[in-house]
Amino acid sequence: GAGVSQSPSNKVTEKGKDVELRCDPISGHTALYWYRQSLGQGLEFLIYFQGNSAPDKSGLPSDRFSAERTGGSVSTLTIQRTQQEDSAVYLCASSLDGRYSNQPQHFGDGTRLSIL
Amino acid sequence: KNQVEQSPQSLIILEGKNCTLQCNYTVSPFSNLRWYKQDTGRGPVSLTIMTFSENTKSNGRYTATLDADTKQSSLHITASQLSDSASYICVVFSGGYNKLIFGAGTRLAVHP
Repeated sequence: GAGVSQSPSNKVTEKGKDVELRCDPISGHTALYWYRQSLGQGLEFLIYFQGNSAPDKSGLPSDRFSAERTGGSVSTLTIQRTQQEDSAVYLCASSLDGRYSNQPQHFGDGTRLSIL
Repeated sequence: KNQVEQSPQSLIILEGKNCTLQCNYTVSPFSNLRWYKQDTGRGPVSLTIMTFSENTKSNGRYTATLDADTKQSSLHITASQLSDSASYICVVFSGGYNKLIFGAGTRLAVHP
């Protein structure tokens, strides 16, 4: 596609429910990243995929968070047993190759998650 | 502790005026410094990427400077337009994508 696509754009759910957030990166981009942006805060790194593998999962805030990427393309971020503190905007980005530091990341418009 | 601090937190200017946003960082090791523009409700868009050896980089009306000795960067916006109203985020890349350090951003409002 022309840009990074995220769905849904907004999600409201009750505390304790599971949610799945989807990211479709730019075609041909091998690197994919998930971030969380809370109001008034800087972006918080969650996880990075190079191809289908995730070299570093240390940014995931708890074991309720998991992510997968299949076919080197679409990625899903899953939050189980959601808590109110999970409310935030979840941003996905992609770049041509994450092994090179000088490449820009292209961001989607995010999923705004609200936990009631 | 690796940190990126931006100032001011928010800024209001009149259309047509210039402004300068500041970014100070205490990040090591340093690989590059990036400025992003984030419109409300949208994802960040890359403006510039500067490496250690680059002092100045321009992108249209946006000019970024980097002083690696003092660990300071600035983003200068010339002849501001209403569409420049956004948050501007300074990011330092520190040797790995788990080590991208984001500032909290400067929220700029351009008024007619």
